[in-house]
Amino acid sequence: DAGVTQSPTHLIKTRGQHVTLRCSPISGHKSVSWYQQVLGQGPQFIFQYYEKEERGRGNFPDRFSARQFPNYSSELNVNALLLGDSALYLCASSFGLYTGELFFGEGSRLTVL
Amino acid sequence: EDKVVQSPLSLVVHEGDTVTLNCSYEVTNFRSLLWYKQEKKAPTFLFMLTSSGIEKKSGRLSSILDKKELFSILNITATQTGDSAIYLCAVDPQLNQGAQKLVFGQGTRLTINP
Repeated sequence: DAGVTQSPTHLIKTRGQHVTLRCSPISGHKSVSWYQQVLGQGPQFIFQYYEKEERGRGNFPDRFSARQFPNYSSELNVNALLLGDSALYLCASSFGLYTGELFFGEGSRLTVL
Repeated sequence: EDKVVQSPLSLVVHEGDTVTLNCSYEVTNFRSLLWYKQEKKAPTFLFMLTSSGIEKKSGRLSSILDKKELFSILNITATQTGDSAIYLCAVDPQLNQGAQKLVFGQGTRLTINP
C-alpha cells in the first residue's frame, strides 16, 4: 500500500507569492494533519482536517489555510509568503480523528527568496 | 502552554555504545507521548506511551514514561550506524474537540560513528 504522498517535493518561491501544497493520505485514512518544520526545530502543528472539516488549528496567521476533499486528500495554501515560511511542510494521516500514531509523508521543502 | 524539551540536542557515540535520550514535558491534559525517528524527511513512528502503557520495547530500542515526574527516556542498546537520525519526542494533549495535535520537542541528533 502506498504511504502518505506529498507534492511537490521541492519548490522555490519569492516573497509575496502564493503556494499550494498537496497531500494524499494512506488509503482508508480520513484524517489529514499539516505540520511545519523549520530547520533545526521539531515539527509544529498547523491544521487537522477530519471528514472534510477543520478540527484543529495551530498558532499560525490567517495567511495559512487548508481544505480536505471528498477523497480525503488535502491542500495547504500559504498566501503572501515571507522568508520565515521557508520550511519542510509535513502531512500526516490517520484513520480517525484520534488513533494515536500519525503516519507522515516525505514533506514538501519550501524555500522563499 | 504545552511544551516539550529534549536533551541532549546532539550526541555522537561509537557503534556498539548504549545511548539514552531524554524528553521532559509540560502539558495541560496529557493523553499520550510518542517517539519518532527522522532520518531524512518523513518521521517514522517508534513508540506511543500512555497512562496504561508506560514501558515499551522493540528490539534494541526501549522507552519508559514517568507521568509523575513528566519525562520519558528512549534507550538504544548496541547502536549501529543505521541508528543515526534525529529522534523526536512529542506529547499529545487531550483537546476539547477530540482532535489530535502533537507538540514536538526540538529533537536529538544522534550520530553513530563506526
